[in-house]
This record gives sequence, structure tokens and C-alpha cells, in this order.
Amino acid sequence: AQKVTQAQTEISVVEKEDVTLDCVYETRDTTYYLFWYKQPPSGELVFLIRRNSFDEQNEISGRYSWNFQKSTSSFNFTITASQVVDSAVYFCALRDRSNDYKLSFGAGTTVTVRA
Amino acid sequence: DTGVSQNPRHKITKRGQNVTFRCDPISEHNRLYWYRQTLGQGPEFLTYFQNEAQLEKSRLLSDRFSAERPKGSFSTLEIQRTEQGDSAMYLCASSTGGTGELFFGEGSRLTVL
Repeated sequence: AQKVTQAQTEISVVEKEDVTLDCVYETRDTTYYLFWYKQPPSGELVFLIRRNSFDEQNEISGRYSWNFQKSTSSFNFTITASQVVDSAVYFCALRDRSNDYKLSFGAGTTVTVRA
Repeated sequence: DTGVSQNPRHKITKRGQNVTFRCDPISEHNRLYWYRQTLGQGPEFLTYFQNEAQLEKSRLLSDRFSAERPKGSFSTLEIQRTEQGDSAMYLCASSTGGTGELFFGEGSRLTVL
């Protein structure tokens, strides 16, 4: 069974602070894909990053970076030097080989960046 | 704009009425998905099409819900005899394959009075 847990409900920071969002996942498959999506107030889910289960290399893309650790089933996401436009709900999601049609989402973390 | 398009964006209806939502996916995407999102929750999978074939349906999709994708292009999601519990955001997404990211539309918000 697929399950994604985002323990943080809300995070509030002041502009330019870093924000780290936690995500823990469960799957029985050895091949799976992890995603982060952003949902601004407009409602549209915007794809941010995708990671394969067989590639644990952590990367940085602009102000975004992620820390994927299979040993702890975690896929944490960091926004560096946050900006007001980063205010949104962020969702972690999982897609595994057994259910490749289905993206399972966590409950989301609301990030508020104050000027 | 070549993104996923959904309409109407907002529908208010009385309990017992039927409603229909339309989704136009990104044109080269053969997979189309419907999700439902309630307040404070992440999106939940409802159903999935590969071209015109509906391949998977969630148990969340009761017999009052029906989805179609004629000719493998746009899709419709119909809810018959709406109930207050159907109030939610209905999200459509499309993708090219089984491992890539899903591209979502802005959603259709349903309010059942």
C-alpha cells in the first residue's frame, strides 16, 4: 500500500529564511517515484521536482533542494531564501510500480512567508 | 495556453441535481486522471484513462459518478443526484506515461447546497 505522511501542517517564516518540508513515505515496491507539488491560492497544482527510487543523489535546483534518504523513507524539500511568492500549500506525492497510474498525496504543508 | 483546462471553475448546485465537469488535457498526453480534493487534504485519486479506455476507478467513485473520455481527447466527469458530501475541488491532470509527472488543471470547485 502507498502512504505519504507530511507531519507539518503549517510553517510560517520571515522572508529570506530557509524552509524545510518533511515527507515520509511507505511503499512495498522497490521501484517508485517521489514528487513535490506546490498549490498556490489559485488552486492549480504545480509540479516542482521528481525523484526515482534508484537515484539517491540529492540535488539543488535554483532555490529548491531535496534530501532523499531511502534508509529512513524520507524525501524532504527545502526552499532557500524564501520569498513571499513561495507562500502556498506544498504536497509530497508517491507513485510506485504496482500502481503506476496513481499518485498518492500527503495532506500538505501550508507555508506562509511574511515580508 | 497549452495547459490542462477545466470548466466550469465553480459550480453551485442544489442537492439532488446532476452536474458535469469537463477537462481538456494537454494535447499530446494519452493519460488523463481525475482527482478530488477536500479542504485541508491532499488530492485523492478517482479514475484514470489511457486514451479512451477507463482503466482504473477508485472505490471513492460511487455509482453516482461517471467519467468518459470519448475519442481519447477531452473528458467529462458527471455526478448524478449530488449530495452535500460531494462538495469538493475536482482536479483533472494529464501525462504522457506512467512515470512522469502529472500536469494539473486549475480545478472545478463544486458546492452542493
